[in-house]
Amino acid sequence: EAGVTQFPSHSVIEKGQTVTLRCDPISGHDNLYWYRRVMGKEIKFLLHFVKESKQDESGMPNNRFLAERTGGTYSTLKVQPAELEDSGVYFCASSPGLGGRSYNEQFFGPGTRLTVL
Amino acid sequence: QQQVKQSPQSLIVQKGGIPIINCAYENTAFDYFPWYQQFPGKGPALLIAIRPDVSEKKEGRFTISFNKSAKQFSLHIMDSQPGDSATYFCAASKENYGQNFVFGPGTRLSVLP
Repeated sequence: EAGVTQFPSHSVIEKGQTVTLRCDPISGHDNLYWYRRVMGKEIKFLLHFVKESKQDESGMPNNRFLAERTGGTYSTLKVQPAELEDSGVYFCASSPGLGGRSYNEQFFGPGTRLTVL
Repeated sequence: QQQVKQSPQSLIVQKGGIPIINCAYENTAFDYFPWYQQFPGKGPALLIAIRPDVSEKKEGRFTISFNKSAKQFSLHIMDSQPGDSATYFCAASKENYGQNFVFGPGTRLSVLP
């Protein structure tokens, strides 16, 4: 079974540019989460999808961040326009739907390292 | 109240030593406490998790101790090996379906040969 995949693995952009990160969850997982780790600090929650619906977006820092999960499969996280403080590692995680084994275990992707210059 | 504190920030032990990583939480509604292990270039992977109805859980060389009254939990790695060198994150959540995790800042462990 393929794990959670993320693309790109690294992205270097200039302040003011736009970047789109992509996450492919484990096939069949209803829940998809985005997290961010900034400069050795804690991994912070950004938002949570259940299938295609945003369940909780309380961690999104501001309206420069836009997440979508069309069709309830892969998800994208767009940052527009990017600022210096957006630099960090963006992780995506997925977990099974209710009734699935270990529904509260989240499986993480390798992350996208975003550097904003 | 959503914060999870973790210490130490980094830890160096000799092979065979027993590194201990400590975490503390504030929100008494948390009832699921996983530990994640992350190797360089990889995403965090679940190592072991505990619920507050038990005070200790052991899986192989990894043990979680849990003190509900103190709102603290810790990870012990017995007979540590160089392959255990990684960053360890404690986390907490409500065990209800679909809850996001609140993570500690991580501990970078180095086990010297």
